[in-house]
Amino acid sequence: AQSVTQPDIHITVSEGASLELRCNYSYGATPYLFWYVQSPGQGLQLLLKYFSGDTLVQGIKGFEAEFKRSQSSFNLRKPSVHWSDAAEYFCAVGLNRDDKIIFGKGTRLHILP
Amino acid sequence: DAGVIQSPRHEVTEMGQEVTLRCKPISGHDYLFWYRQTMMRGLELLIYFNNNVPIDDSGMPEDRFSAKMPNASFSTLKIQPSEPRDSAVYFCASGNSGFSNQPQHFGDGTRLSIL
Repeated sequence: AQSVTQPDIHITVSEGASLELRCNYSYGATPYLFWYVQSPGQGLQLLLKYFSGDTLVQGIKGFEAEFKRSQSSFNLRKPSVHWSDAAEYFCAVGLNRDDKIIFGKGTRLHILP
Repeated sequence: DAGVIQSPRHEVTEMGQEVTLRCKPISGHDYLFWYRQTMMRGLELLIYFNNNVPIDDSGMPEDRFSAKMPNASFSTLKIQPSEPRDSAVYFCASGNSGFSNQPQHFGDGTRLSIL
């Protein structure tokens, strides 16, 4: 069965610094990949998704993610974080367009002023 | 446009009581999902509907849990009888068939505490 791993439970970066959140998946074929963000007291919001094609995907709020098949990874990046980016970030994977997706355990991002 | 609307936002009740959580999806979305979020288990899919029909309820933990979607604009998740281990945040999400069955929009959740 497919699975998704977010190895970092917490990440702290300074405002204005670059960010990379890691996500690894386990699946034999190319899965469908997603990143969601959850602000405190709110539901999840879809940041970006990868189905096929260009391996560098642009999302909302200035985020991007790169699919690397050789590393089974789909890491989320942002060149310069803002204090408002402090939230929890979830990577998710699906087998195909017609299957439910599985969420990782999440990475909580803290921003230092 | 209104997003996914869940009610109540908070619910505190005693063990053994019936709990009903409500969800109004985004108009035009034909997929509806119920998730449960806890510190220990993370985000778990309980059940999802397509065109008001339950497609996969394999995540529903026990027979004490039931979900219905009587029409395209309303769904309920019921727990009867409730137990302290049901305490969690329950999210409803909706999506449209352009993204197949991946949820695009989540409600703000119902924080459920069973005493």
